[in-house]
Amino acid sequence: QVQLVESGGGVVQPGGSLRLSCAASGFTFSSYGMHWVRQAPGKGLEWVAFIRYDGSNKYYADSVKGRFTISRDNSKNTLYLQMNSLRAEDTAVYYCAKAPPGAPLMDVWGKGTTVTVSS
Amino acid sequence: AIRMTQSPSSLSASTGDRVTITCRASQGISSYLAWYQQKPGKAPKLLIYAASTLQSGVPSRFSGSGSGTDFTLTISCLQSEDFATYYCQQYYSYPRQLTFGGGTKVEIK
Repeated sequence: QVQLVESGGGVVQPGGSLRLSCAASGFTFSSYGMHWVRQAPGKGLEWVAFIRYDGSNKYYADSVKGRFTISRDNSKNTLYLQMNSLRAEDTAVYYCAKAPPGAPLMDVWGKGTTVTVSS
Repeated sequence: AIRMTQSPSSLSASTGDRVTITCRASQGISSYLAWYQQKPGKAPKLLIYAASTLQSGVPSRFSGSGSGTDFTLTISCLQSEDFATYYCQQYYSYPRQLTFGGGTKVEIK
């Protein structure tokens, strides 16, 4: 079955870096765009970034632009999120999500990985 | 960025009730709107896209309507498994900012 499994979360100090991974299985990963979406504790959903199926285009929320980088390795069926210059307000559960063909929606979600930015 | 405003932010209802949630966009978004359901401690689940198209496997008691700036999600006969938080999301502004509404928590009365 279609599955997304995030990893790489943890506790990091302000200004630090972290790389999240999302391992995909059960579908042809290289054919689909992928998102990162986050949710701060007790808050709503915030879209973070999107990458097209072939990695040719990447889009970011203003709140992370210049600090976060989305990438993918289609040979490894893996999505990444490199997070630099982390701030307290980046503390959240980070979900990866698959996009259906032709629409920037999220039709399959992972269970999420928690990032805590704290000194 | 396009702002999405949901109302109410929470509501209490009983099993069997008809429930309606509203989502308003700060500018016209045609029908580029999706609805998601999220249960506590779980990932969101796509329910509806293109304002009114039911995602595969979603029960028919869920329905969506609207276009332009005003949208509604209706649950025709609330079931116990429907108690959750619901989010709208616009994707009209793709590839720029995709934005979610603040959420509506549906609680048991």
